[in-house]
Amino acid sequence: QKEVEQNSGPLSVPEGAIASLNCTYSDRGSQSFFWYRQYSGKSPELIMFIYSNGDKEDGRFTAQLNKASQYVSLLIRDSQPSDSATYLCAVFQSARQLTFGSGTQLTVLP
Amino acid sequence: DGGITQSPKYLFRKEGQNVTLSCEQNLNHDAMYWYRQDPGQGLRLIYYSQIVNDFQKGDIAEGYSVSREKKESFPLTVTSAQKNPTAFYLCASSPARAAYGYTFGSGTRLTVV
Repeated sequence: QKEVEQNSGPLSVPEGAIASLNCTYSDRGSQSFFWYRQYSGKSPELIMFIYSNGDKEDGRFTAQLNKASQYVSLLIRDSQPSDSATYLCAVFQSARQLTFGSGTQLTVLP
Repeated sequence: DGGITQSPKYLFRKEGQNVTLSCEQNLNHDAMYWYRQDPGQGLRLIYYSQIVNDFQKGDIAEGYSVSREKKESFPLTVTSAQKNPTAFYLCASSPARAAYGYTFGSGTRLTVV
């Protein structure tokens, strides 16, 4: 069982729709959770982080964390073609470094 | 402005050759990391360092070596023992606890010719 799992996609949504990206993790002791966006050929950039159960909103992005069910999700409202990228979920578990999922490729269709 | 600088952006290696990828940060971060990314794949940890003069192997350390002589610098050498080195290499840094997330460099794309 992978420590951090994501649906690889590809996920396609029409422009203006809500894109929902999901991530599950195995370590119940995980403390913090991150979403990175990676455009093709570029390095990952941090777009959201969350530490507590519930929702955290930043502009069009909402991160949702449910520690009891061991999942974290990212919602992108009013999706734009510029949101087309690979989204990486990362979790800080008991080790000293982040553990990354394999990423979900999102395409927003004009 | 603070950040992480990786160089070169593109690197070509001949068979049997060692090459070194540079990573420098001015964020005053204690920890630094090297990841490898293959096309369509996630990030795999090669090495990481929490403090100067100390580093730990990650999941795929074979064929790679690192040094951490200065807090700001964490170079990665891809040795001839690494049989399939063609990949995108990412350097990252964080405060002492990775719980606050990473900052990534812009990456080095290595190709074997």
